[in-house]
Amino acid sequence: DTAVSQTPKYLVTQMGNDKSIKCEQNLGHDTMYWYKQDSKKFLKIMFSYNNKELIINETVPNRFSPKSPDKAHLNLHINSLELGDSAVYFCASSPKDRGGGYTFGSGTRLTVV
Amino acid sequence: KQEVTQIPAALSVPEGENLVLNCSFTDSAIYNLQWFRQDPGKGLTSLLLIQSSQREQTSGRLNASLDKSSGRSTLYIAASQPGDSATYLCAVPNTNAGKSTFGDGTTLTVKP
Repeated sequence: DTAVSQTPKYLVTQMGNDKSIKCEQNLGHDTMYWYKQDSKKFLKIMFSYNNKELIINETVPNRFSPKSPDKAHLNLHINSLELGDSAVYFCASSPKDRGGGYTFGSGTRLTVV
Repeated sequence: KQEVTQIPAALSVPEGENLVLNCSFTDSAIYNLQWFRQDPGKGLTSLLLIQSSQREQTSGRLNASLDKSSGRSTLYIAASQPGDSATYLCAVPNTNAGKSTFGDGTTLTVKP
């Protein structure tokens, strides 16, 4: 199936831990994104990569570090997790053609306890 | 800075009713506008993508229109069904590469 896939789907961890979320797309898209959806369901962009190059870095704590080993993968590493990091994190991708739409992964629900 | 507003925030209708969801954006220099559906605890499913050169797109009972000059898009749902209950979001890619602004969504409840 052509898709954007994220792992894990659920992640429960203690404060202070370091964790990673992985994302892969097999759509041949050039641009990948990380979005955060908070408890109020608002969706905000965190990062955007175009062909492995960081192009958007919103005001996100530097505890969050994206890594793109190739244009089909965009991972998110979070250091020193805090309670406020609890949210659903969505990966998405879009084609190089700016007229192309977004395809989203199913999300990773992160709970920091 | 692009701002996207969706009104109403929540809508409850009886089954069978036709309804319209609204999306407004402040910067009309857009490439396209995309409507998504999100079910509780799930990801975003793309419903319709309208290119900036288009006026509308249709898929089944859904019809999305786009008026760039007025900064508006509407999502029309015909003959609503309980299975249409979800949150509907619109997204507008900014002219800067690699960023799309989402509205806060309209949560639709269709009662049997």
